[in-house]
Amino acid sequence: DTEVTQTPKHLVMGMTNKKSLKCEQHMGHRAMYWYKQKAKKPPELMFVYSYEKLSINESVPSRFSPECPNSSLLNLHLHALQPEDSALYLCASSQDLGASYNEQFFGPGTRLTVL
Amino acid sequence: AQSVAQPEDQVNVAEGNPLTVKCTYSVSGNPYLFWYVQYPNRGLQFLLKYITGDNLVKGSYGFEAEFNKSQTSFHLKKPSALVSDSALYFCAVRDRNAGNMLTFGGGTRLMVKP
Repeated sequence: DTEVTQTPKHLVMGMTNKKSLKCEQHMGHRAMYWYKQKAKKPPELMFVYSYEKLSINESVPSRFSPECPNSSLLNLHLHALQPEDSALYLCASSQDLGASYNEQFFGPGTRLTVL
Repeated sequence: AQSVAQPEDQVNVAEGNPLTVKCTYSVSGNPYLFWYVQYPNRGLQFLLKYITGDNLVKGSYGFEAEFNKSQTSFHLKKPSALVSDSALYFCAVRDRNAGNMLTFGGGTRLMVKP
């Protein structure tokens, strides 16, 4: 299985809602990533988990809260978002952080719209 | 600091013609270079990578890329473009000296016309 899955595909939420994005991979990868991508722009790194521990937080606002319950799952909890947070949220995984030559595998993304 | 430049926002080619999507990079150490493709409303798909060795790297869907150390370039090529190749292409670099994180170029939209 060489696939990263993400749910839901689309999400519309109000600024007072709480929602979660889910990502799953069964490739045995020990590094997982959240990216935010605006239209026609490259992905921007948000968080990196290595062996289920938060390794990197790229100064992301606290209204985004990541969680890695186990080695296959990665969640992104959303609360009190702003309209400018509307974007495509991509999850990715790679074998681990130590080997720079390993490619990242990306999921299809969740298209988030904040009203 | 590492950086990647894709000098063309858009590349237009006719179907059947060869295509080139340009990428130049800047790193402090030895670069690991990647190309990804993104179709509309989809995630990024890995195409190919350069780690070491042969400067010509072959990847998925008939794409290849040439690593040129002296010009710090890693251009993506395909001998004969297909309409279905139309997509957004990202070059990326990974440098051990930069915490192993991927740095992406700004992306190039490839339009292949019948």
